[in-house]
Parts: sequence; structure tokens; C-alpha cells
Amino acid sequence: AQSVTQPDIHITVSEGASLELRCNYSYGATPYLFWYVQSPGQGLQLLLKYFSGDTLVQGIKGFEAEFKRSQSSFNLRKPSVHWSDAAEYFCAVGEMQAGTALIFGKGTTLSVSS
Amino acid sequence: SAVISQKPSRDICQRGTSLTIQCQVDSQVTMMFWYRQQPGQSLTLIATANQGSEATYESGFVIDKFPISRPNLTFSTLTVSNMSPEDSSIYLCSVVLAGRSGEQYFGPGTRLTVT
Repeated sequence: AQSVTQPDIHITVSEGASLELRCNYSYGATPYLFWYVQSPGQGLQLLLKYFSGDTLVQGIKGFEAEFKRSQSSFNLRKPSVHWSDAAEYFCAVGEMQAGTALIFGKGTTLSVSS
Repeated sequence: SAVISQKPSRDICQRGTSLTIQCQVDSQVTMMFWYRQQPGQSLTLIATANQGSEATYESGFVIDKFPISRPNLTFSTLTVSNMSPEDSSIYLCSVVLAGRSGEQYFGPGTRLTVT
């Protein structure tokens, strides 16, 4: 069955420290992979996506993610976290077609300590 | 990118009543979806809104409870019918923009509380 697993429910990182959020997927076809961020009371904002090509993708707000097919992973990273990065982060997977909805992980809540 | 608006942004409703949520996009759209996000949970797809025809519902969601319309390419409504407290959630529409196959963009959501 198709699924997305985010093993970490809640992570706390000190401001200025590096961040890695984990995402593993199970998908039969070649996946489209996404990371979204949801700030409190807000909708979802697309951080970055992987469709094909270079396995290290750059996104907005200084985030990047690396696709590792052998590990079925798509981990999100940021070298230096800012207090404004505190939010809920969702990994999602979809098919390489326009008509397919996304399957979301349960999300990781990021807290940033000063 | 595109501007996706949802109305209302939030509402508090009595059980047994219905609420219609609107989603409007200012760009050409190929696909529209409706998701539900229950408190503290991830997003679950309710249905795909099809223009000019009946929506395609996911397992566990039925048309009588969540009727959906999409009269044109850029507008859709979701109605939550005969509400109960279990329907308290954030409801989000998402779109795939023309020429941006595979990417989904989300509206700001409608926060519904049923008392």
C-alpha cells in the first residue's frame, strides 16, 4: 500500500542549529515527492518538490531535501534554523500525473528554542 | 503561482446544520481537490472535484455528507451536511495549476467547529 512515514512527531532544535526531518515512503510507481510547511492557523505552503533528475533539491526559505531511492527516503534539511521556522512539516507523495491527489505523512512539529 | 481563497476562513456551527465552503482560484486550473485535517492530524483526501460532473469520493466519504460542486474551472464548493462534533476540522482545497503538472497548491483552509 502507498504510504508516507514521518518517524518524528516532534523535534526541538536550537536557533542556529542544523535541522533534518525524516521522511520515508512506500510507493509502487515513480513518485513525485513534496515537503509542505504549515504555520499555526495557516494553510500549507509548498517548500520544495522532487520529480526527477538531481536528487538534491533546493527549496524556499533555505531548505533542501535529498531523494535516496535505495532508502525510499526524502529527508528535509536546513543548515541553520530560525525561530520563524517553528511550524508543522508534512512530507507527501504523488504520482507523475496531474490527476492524482497526494498522500501525506502525519507531520513533524518543529519547535525552535533560543 | 496563484491566489487561492476560501470562504469562510472559520465558522462555529450547531450540530445538525450544514455549511458550504467556497474555493476560488485566480489562475487556470486542471485539478481541484478537497482535504480534511482533523485536529492534530494529517491531511486526508475527501474527493476530487470534477468540473461539470459528480465528484470522485475517497473511501469513507459519501456525497450525501459532503456534496461538492465545481461549476467552472476555477471555483468549487464543499458542503458539510448534518454536522456533528466529529466534523470539526480544517477543510482545505488544493489545485493543480495548468502547466504545473504534479504540483498542488493549497488554500488557507476553513476551520470548522461544530458544537
